[in-house]
Amino acid sequence: NAGVTQTPKFRVLKTGQSMTLLCAQDMNHEYMYWYRQDPGMGLRLIHYSVGEGTTAKGEVPDGYNVSRLKKQNFLLGLESAAPSQTSVYFCASSRGTAYTEAFFGQGTRLTVV
Amino acid sequence: GIQVEQSPPDLILQEGANSTLRCNFSDSVNNLQWFHQNPWGQLINLFYIPSGTKQNGRLSATTVATERYSLLYISSSQTTDSGVYFCAGVNTGTASKLTFGTGTRLQVTL
Repeated sequence: NAGVTQTPKFRVLKTGQSMTLLCAQDMNHEYMYWYRQDPGMGLRLIHYSVGEGTTAKGEVPDGYNVSRLKKQNFLLGLESAAPSQTSVYFCASSRGTAYTEAFFGQGTRLTVV
Repeated sequence: GIQVEQSPPDLILQEGANSTLRCNFSDSVNNLQWFHQNPWGQLINLFYIPSGTKQNGRLSATTVATERYSLLYISSSQTTDSGVYFCAGVNTGTASKLTFGTGTRLQVTL
């Protein structure tokens, strides 16, 4: 049972380039989330999805887009990367929100130069 | 949104010592979790504990939901316990957002 898998694990981008981070879960969870973690800080929510075909903004959505075309996949896109988006990105999934446990992927370390 | 305060921010222990980490919430939560982020950056689920007490080996956690806090106890600490401990919760009134504290950084020395 793989749980939550993120691809890629590491990436270096030049300013202005675009890329997509893929998150896949095999637990049949309805909810999926993208967080970013910056040095000395906790995790901050970028976007989330409460089911296939739905997405919603979190705390820090600017500069990112997401899509949930299939229940098991949640994609995070950076259309024009900026150095401020250098961070570690975590994907998570859960059955719901209230009274359910969230599980996290291993993270993607992104550097924008 | 809710504020999550963790204390202490940093902790250094000698191997074998015990410790208590605290997490305070500014509002009621109905989904509380503790995570350990190891030195390789992985987030490991420790406890899902909306209320009550749970134990797992040398670790245990207690959540007092009515008073909006949770405690994580580490007994007989080992060097492998080093890392950052996060608590996170979902505000009862605003679904879908797991809000994290800024963590407690623990270093266990020989």
